[in-house]
Amino acid sequence: AQTVTQSQPEMSVQEAETVTLSCTYDTSESDYYLFWYKQPPSRQMILVIRQEAYKQQNATENRFSVNFQKAAKSFSLKISDSQLGDAAMYFCAYRVLIRSNNLFFGTGTRLTVIP
Amino acid sequence: EAQVTQNPRYLITVTGKKLTVTCSQNMNHEYMSWYRQDPGLGLRQIYYSMNVEVTDKGDVPEGYKVSRKEKRNFPLILESPSPNQTSLYFCASSFGRGDQFFGPGTRLTVL
Repeated sequence: AQTVTQSQPEMSVQEAETVTLSCTYDTSESDYYLFWYKQPPSRQMILVIRQEAYKQQNATENRFSVNFQKAAKSFSLKISDSQLGDAAMYFCAYRVLIRSNNLFFGTGTRLTVIP
Repeated sequence: EAQVTQNPRYLITVTGKKLTVTCSQNMNHEYMSWYRQDPGLGLRQIYYSMNVEVTDKGDVPEGYKVSRKEKRNFPLILESPSPNQTSLYFCASSFGRGDQFFGPGTRLTVL
């Protein structure tokens, strides 16, 4: 069974500082995708970043980057130069490349940005 | 504007009163799915559809029905809602197995 674990229910960061959100997952599959989604107070689910498991290079999107450790099944998100607009719930998600296209989500980490 | 729309955005109903939450996308996506979000549980897939007239169960399908008569629409039907179906519901769509675009969510309360 696929599981995604986010062990940090809440995190806080000072504006302009860097924060890392942790995620681990469990799978027997060799080919899959990993994602970080952001959910602001508006509740909209916004894709932040994607990592293909077959790629060794860590994905980056502007101030967002990941540390993907396939052997350890770890997928952390680093937010640099944190901004007030980064405050949100962040979900780690995993997707296998099978029929259902199902996204398996973690339970989320609530990030607070302190001015 | 490319988008996934859901209606209604908020709904309060009573146990046993049939309801439908609509989902529509204007991106010609083949794949559509429904998720529910509950505190402490993240999002879980209810049903999905690979194309018109092709639907299948996700992880938590009990108490729900879906249909896919047109490519753009994927309604979620609760024939006899119960309080344990109080949740935040999301519809999503994608091209094949591409990245999923989410709708704005529907907050359902069943009394």
